[in-house]
Amino acid sequence: GENVEQHPSTLSVQEGDSAVIKCTYSDSASNYFPWYKQELGKGPQLIIDIRSNVGEKKDQRIAVTLNKTAKHFSLHITETQPEDSAVYFCAASRPGGGNKLTFGTGTQLKVEL
Amino acid sequence: NAGVTQTPKFRVLKTGQSMTLLCAQDMNHEYMYWYRQDPGMGLRLIHYSVGEGTTAKGEVPDGYNVSRLKKQNFLLGLESAAPSQTSVYFCASNLRGGGADNEQFFGPGTRLTVL
Repeated sequence: GENVEQHPSTLSVQEGDSAVIKCTYSDSASNYFPWYKQELGKGPQLIIDIRSNVGEKKDQRIAVTLNKTAKHFSLHITETQPEDSAVYFCAASRPGGGNKLTFGTGTQLKVEL
Repeated sequence: NAGVTQTPKFRVLKTGQSMTLLCAQDMNHEYMYWYRQDPGMGLRLIHYSVGEGTTAKGEVPDGYNVSRLKKQNFLLGLESAAPSQTSVYFCASNLRGGGADNEQFFGPGTRLTVL
């Protein structure tokens, strides 16, 4: 089955700096790669996603890049703000089979003032 | 819309006791999922359903059972709770299919402690 590895497990940045979180996946048939943000005491919430026919996608301060050949994808957050502090999860899914997601182990991002 | 709701929010059980976690969604979603979240391990899929009356095993199904008698509800049962089932449980739902409908919407979670 699919295996998703995520790094780093913790990341501390100064407000205004950029943050990058990286994930690798094992199943070459995976074609959908979402990123979820989880705030303390809440359920994960989708912040951005990318499909395998696209190399990069941006939404204001966040962007995701995908390298299908190397089987890795990354989340980039620019101009970080204190409200960006949360746990971020990457995930991967292959077509069919109930749209099951395989998640990475999460990155605790702390944005310091 | 309430989205995805979970009942209860917290529960403490003794080893061997049974309980049912209820998930409800009001978005007319076809697919529903149960995950458990443990420190350092991300979210792992327990069981899922692709429609009313259907269920399937996920990555970590042992010790759990599920039922989807109504489209809007997905129940997770623990027949004989064990301390290893201490976790935070999340329910999620998905409209259906690929394309723009891949987003899974998550509930607020149920924190379960088994003593």
